[in-house]
Amino acid sequence: EAQVTQNPRYLITVTGKKLTVTCSQNMNHEYMSWYRQDPGLGLRQIYYSMNVEVTDKGDVPEGYKVSRKEKRNFPLILESPSPNQTSLYFCASSLRSAGGISYNEQFFGPGTRLTVL
Amino acid sequence: AQSVAQPEDQVNVAEGNPLTVKCTYSVSGNPYLFWYVQYPNRGLQFLLKYITGDNLVKGSYGFEAEFNKSQTSFHLKKPSALVSDSALYFCAVRSSTGGANNLFFGTGTRLTVIP
Repeated sequence: EAQVTQNPRYLITVTGKKLTVTCSQNMNHEYMSWYRQDPGLGLRQIYYSMNVEVTDKGDVPEGYKVSRKEKRNFPLILESPSPNQTSLYFCASSLRSAGGISYNEQFFGPGTRLTVL
Repeated sequence: AQSVAQPEDQVNVAEGNPLTVKCTYSVSGNPYLFWYVQYPNRGLQFLLKYITGDNLVKGSYGFEAEFNKSQTSFHLKKPSALVSDSALYFCAVRSSTGGANNLFFGTGTRLTVIP
């Protein structure tokens, strides 16, 4: 089954304790992205990746890191989480379009609900 | 700067009536426009997109959307609403003419279909 998986689905942690949220897709998609969803703010893009070893900042990259060492995986790293990073996080992937600007629909993972105390 | 506005946080419609969920956008150059739906405790699911061509786009579950360049709008419509359409709907936009490849989402509109 074609899917995007995220782990963990739920995480409660404390300020300053490094954490990683994993994301994996089995559709051989070039483009992957991380979003956070907050009430009243919709989805905001954190980072995206056009291909292996190619990453770029989205709207709200501060406090986050990503890496893309393999095509299927795109982990989100919070080196020193803070309470304002409490949110619902989504990973997504899509095929890359010709010319580089992607117009293909994204496939979303089930989400990771993170609480930072 | 690119942005999306969904002016209604909440839309209520009776089952069987037509529904409209509004979206306006701002983007440099030509837009790529998308609608996604989110059911409770689920990730977003793609509904439809406008890339180029016919202004009326048909998508999943009987939904359609009309691209209006002069009004910079991309409203989502369905002729006859079902209770199962109740969900959170997001409009998204990306510029087709280079620059960053960010996808910008609106704040979402919660659709409730009343039996």
